[in-house]
Amino acid sequence: AQTVTQSQPEMSVQEAETVTLSCTYDTSESDYYLFWYKQPPSRQMILVIRQEAYKQQNATENRFSVNFQKAAKSFSLKISDSQLGDAAMYFCAYCGSAGTASKLTFGTGTRLQVTL
Amino acid sequence: GAVVSQHPSRVICKSGTSVKIECRSLDFQATTMFWYRQFPKQSLMLMATSNEGSKATYEQGVEKDKFLINHASLTLSTLTVTSAHPEDSSFYICSATGTDLLRVNSPLHFGNGTRLTVT
Repeated sequence: AQTVTQSQPEMSVQEAETVTLSCTYDTSESDYYLFWYKQPPSRQMILVIRQEAYKQQNATENRFSVNFQKAAKSFSLKISDSQLGDAAMYFCAYCGSAGTASKLTFGTGTRLQVTL
Repeated sequence: GAVVSQHPSRVICKSGTSVKIECRSLDFQATTMFWYRQFPKQSLMLMATSNEGSKATYEQGVEKDKFLINHASLTLSTLTVTSAHPEDSSFYICSATGTDLLRVNSPLHFGNGTRLTVT
């Protein structure tokens, strides 16, 4: 079974600074997808960024980028120029190949605080 | 973008009663829906996967007679918590994908969740 590990229960960053959230996973599959979701206090799940395992290039979405290391099974999220609105729970998630029909396995989450 | 509506957002019920939570896809046909449970300050745990027109597949440890899932149409799945007890109090959230979202790199679309409190 696939597992997703987030070793940082809480992180803090100053506004305008950069922070990196860690995520590792375990799988025997070669083709899969990785996601970072943001969950603000409203509890809405918001997709931040996604990465296809077959792509070597790291995904980037504006201030959010990932460092995908397939051999190390690592998938960290970097948030640049942090903003107060970035404060939330962040979940790393794994999805196997298409046959698993978008079934997501989530990590335990990292609570990000953004300070002035 | 695709929208998933979940209702109610909050519900309080007495112990022993049943509660139904609805998950609707508003602008796409949801062939597959997922039901998650989230305890305070914890992650989302998959409870079951439902495919339209067939029985739900439950994850290990989830009581199928306790959490009844129906996915009778391409736009609606329901989760019924039967004979609710205080330990069933939790945040329940659904997500959906469909025929026009077959590619996994199109993300799951989540409902806004339901906070269930059993007194």
